[in-house]
Amino acid sequence: ETGVTQTPRHLVMGMTNKKSLKCEQHLGHNAMYWYKQSAKKPLELMFVYNFKEQTENNSVPSRFSPECPNSSHLFLHLHTLQPEDSALYLCASSHLPNAGTQPQHFGDGTRLSIL
Amino acid sequence: EDQVTQSPEALRLQEGESSSLNCSYTVSGLRGLFWYRQDPGKGPEFLFTLYSAGEEKEKERLKATLTKKESFLHITAPKPEDSATYLCAVPSGTYKYIFGTGTRLKVLA
Repeated sequence: ETGVTQTPRHLVMGMTNKKSLKCEQHLGHNAMYWYKQSAKKPLELMFVYNFKEQTENNSVPSRFSPECPNSSHLFLHLHTLQPEDSALYLCASSHLPNAGTQPQHFGDGTRLSIL
Repeated sequence: EDQVTQSPEALRLQEGESSSLNCSYTVSGLRGLFWYRQDPGKGPEFLFTLYSAGEEKEKERLKATLTKKESFLHITAPKPEDSATYLCAVPSGTYKYIFGTGTRLKVLA
């Protein structure tokens, strides 16, 4: 399997639930990203990992907790979410951590709905 | 503050009717500009990277151009399968990319 794979594709959860989103890349990249995409808003960067080390946390609430066990896998742990957290969550990867040198490759996202 | 603005927000074209999408940017020291295509229910798909003013890239019916203030995505004789949202992005800082809100293109048969 090639590319960036995200699971699950759809997730409905209550505000008190705990769930995790998974991302796996088969491109040999060493940087991975989480984005939030809401209707009529630009993609919002949440976290960046470079060689498993978190290098960017874009003021994301603590109810979102990322984990990067290796350069191929990325998780986003969710707990006590709010209705405004409903969105499409996209994972991306790129060859190099330095922005501007390489394009990002995206997965198809997890559509998250908070009840 | 680095910014990216895309226009128009939405565009409807008849099949074969050529047009252009605009991406204006404000960034200190441009290191690259990226164009992506996003289909409904999918993640963005990389199209082009442009690095310097005057550069052009082509792929099938799409041609991207870059000036010091903006980039254009020209669509020549579009087909219905070109219908998608087109996003542009520029790097900001060491690891961050700033995305525009996109142009939703609908090509009618």
